[in-house]
Amino acid sequence: NAGVTQTPKFQVLKTGQSMTLQCAQDMNHEYMSWYRQDPGMGLRLIHYSVGAGITDQGEVPNGYNVSRSTTEDFPLRLLSAAPSQTSVYFCASSYDRQSGPYNEQFFGPGTRLTVL
Amino acid sequence: AQRVTQPEKLLSVFKGAPVELKCNYSYSGSPELFWYVQYSRQRLQLLLRHISRESIKGFTADLNKGETSFHLKKPFAQEEDSAMYYCALSNSGYALNFGKGTSLLVTP
Repeated sequence: NAGVTQTPKFQVLKTGQSMTLQCAQDMNHEYMSWYRQDPGMGLRLIHYSVGAGITDQGEVPNGYNVSRSTTEDFPLRLLSAAPSQTSVYFCASSYDRQSGPYNEQFFGPGTRLTVL
Repeated sequence: AQRVTQPEKLLSVFKGAPVELKCNYSYSGSPELFWYVQYSRQRLQLLLRHISRESIKGFTADLNKGETSFHLKKPFAQEEDSAMYYCALSNSGYALNFGKGTSLLVTP
């Protein structure tokens, strides 16, 4: 099992550019989520999905878009990058039907994004 | 509204000293509480869950519903414990509500 994978590891964008952060998991997890990590702010939830075709907003969704067409993939799109979106982005997954919903969240290695 | 508070941004202790990382929460129901750890340049990983009532790497955490706390404790800190520690709450299983984190530095 590769677990949760994220690409790219690093990215530099100019203000106004768009890009997609990729996230995939091979653990057959129902739930997937995106967080951003900023110094002194901890991790804040951007968007989440409880299954293929179902997504919802978290605490800080503005400027981001998500879709969940398959169980495995949960890409995060930055529509028009802004310097305030400079952050480290983590994808996480949890919940397979055998283990139950309050099981461990598994995190990807993160994507370090800088917007100039 | 649910909230997780970690009052210390940075905690510095000497090797062999006891360590306690504080976590307080506000939640009206029965929360599921977790401690996650992030070592330098690594991904977050689960350290403890309150429902497991286990000890991992010498760390323990007890849920105190009266004080709405879930403090993380270790009797003798080691240098390899230096990391960022996050307390987190889940009310649904699909995502976590994190505290702002405490950076633990264990010096020799």
